[in-house]
Amino acid sequence: TQLLEQSPQFLSIQEGENLTVYCNSSSVFSSLQWYRQEPGEGPVLLVTVVTGGEVKKLKRLTFQFGDARKDSSLHITAAQPGDTGLYLCAGDNYGQNFVFGPGTRLSVLP
Amino acid sequence: DAGVIQSPRHEVTEMGQEVTLRCKPISGHNSLFWYRQTMMRGLELLIYFNNNVPIDDSGMPEDRFSAKMPNASFSTLKIQPSEPRDSAVYFCASSFRTGRSGELFFGEGSRLTVL
Repeated sequence: TQLLEQSPQFLSIQEGENLTVYCNSSSVFSSLQWYRQEPGEGPVLLVTVVTGGEVKKLKRLTFQFGDARKDSSLHITAAQPGDTGLYLCAGDNYGQNFVFGPGTRLSVLP
Repeated sequence: DAGVIQSPRHEVTEMGQEVTLRCKPISGHNSLFWYRQTMMRGLELLIYFNNNVPIDDSGMPEDRFSAKMPNASFSTLKIQPSEPRDSAVYFCASSFRTGRSGELFFGEGSRLTVL
């Protein structure tokens, strides 16, 4: 069974602080995706990382895929209240299904 | 463009009743996924279809759950009989899968409460 673990589970920070959340697995995935989910809505894709060691930036968000394609990190610089939400990582199982982690619930206080 | 459309958005029912959740995927997408989300268990894959054919239903909890995709533009998830432990948000997602890539587009979910 493929499992993805995320840490921390919960994170509450002040506006302007930096943070990093992690996604780890013992399995190799063909790609890994990060989604953000806001209350009452479905998850929305932020980024897909495909190549081991790949780094992608989306404004203040930096995503990294581990060399072995088993883990990933999301770093947010100067967090803002609009970044509040549930951050989910999902492993693409070689074109079959997607396996989701349990998520990191982020709260950014003004 | 319309996204993934799910109905109903909210359903409250009594234990033992039949529940049918509906999903219209994005036109042109070839894969459809049903997920269930709870605080305790997160997002769980129930079943997914590729070109309207069920590929993996190992996540379906038990025989009370069934899913169909009669055509490329419609899918249903049925629970009969429903139980309180089925209370959750059920998401439908679609994707255009090419090889090993594809992005999941989620609907807004159907929040089910079984009393």
